[in-house]
Amino acid sequence: QQQVKQSPQSLIVQKGGISIINCAYENTAFDYFPWYQQFPGKGPALLIAIRPDVSEKKEGRFTISFNKSAKQFSLHIMDSQPGDSATYFCAASMAGNQFYFGTGTSLTVIP
Amino acid sequence: NAGVMQNPRHLVRRRGQEARLRCSPMKGHSHVYWYRQLPEEGLKFMVYLQKENIIDESGMPKERFSAEFPKEGPSILRIQQVVRGDSAAYFCASSPLAGNRETQYFGPGTRLLVL
Repeated sequence: QQQVKQSPQSLIVQKGGISIINCAYENTAFDYFPWYQQFPGKGPALLIAIRPDVSEKKEGRFTISFNKSAKQFSLHIMDSQPGDSATYFCAASMAGNQFYFGTGTSLTVIP
Repeated sequence: NAGVMQNPRHLVRRRGQEARLRCSPMKGHSHVYWYRQLPEEGLKFMVYLQKENIIDESGMPKERFSAEFPKEGPSILRIQQVVRGDSAAYFCASSPLAGNRETQYFGPGTRLLVL
C-alpha cells in the first residue's frame, strides 16, 4: 500500500504566488522527511528535509511545515517562479533505510 | 566532486534479453539504493546495498532481478529475460558511510525500454 500519500497530483500557480503540496503518512516510525525536485529526464534532487522534532524548516523560498500529531507535512514555495516548474516528491524514511516516496506533484508556474 | 553516475543513460532491449544497469556512488559513499520509476508515478524502492552486502531487497521482484555492489567497481542491477513491463526509469542513490546517512543523492537514471 502507499506509505506516503501526496496531493495534489498537479498544480498550476501564477508567477509570484505560493505553491503548496501536501503529504500524509501512517507509520509513526518514520523519522526523516525529505522533499525532492525532479526535472524531466533528470534524477530527483534533494530540496529540503525535516525531522519530526521541529514543526517548520525554511530554506530560502522553500518551507516545510510538519504536523506530527496529524502525521502530515507540506512544502510551501513562496514567490513561485517559472524555473520552479518541475515534479516534486515527498518521501519518508526510518533509521536511514529506504525512502517511501509520494506519487509526485507536477507543478507549473505560469508567467 | 562528481555526483552519482549511472550508465547507460538509455538502454533498449528486446524481450528475453538481459539488461545491466551500473551505478557508481559519490566518492566516500558506501550505501547504494536502487529505485524504479514508472511513468507518472513516484519512485519505488527495490534494493539497498552496502559493499559486498545486500541489506534490504524487500522491493525486488523475486525472479529475474538481482543486484550487487562488489568491493571494487560499480553497483550492478541486472534484469534477466526482460519483459515489456520492465520498461521504466531506474535510479540509484547513494549515501555516506557515516554522518548524515539519511540524505540520499540520486543519479540521473537509466531509462530502459523493452521492445
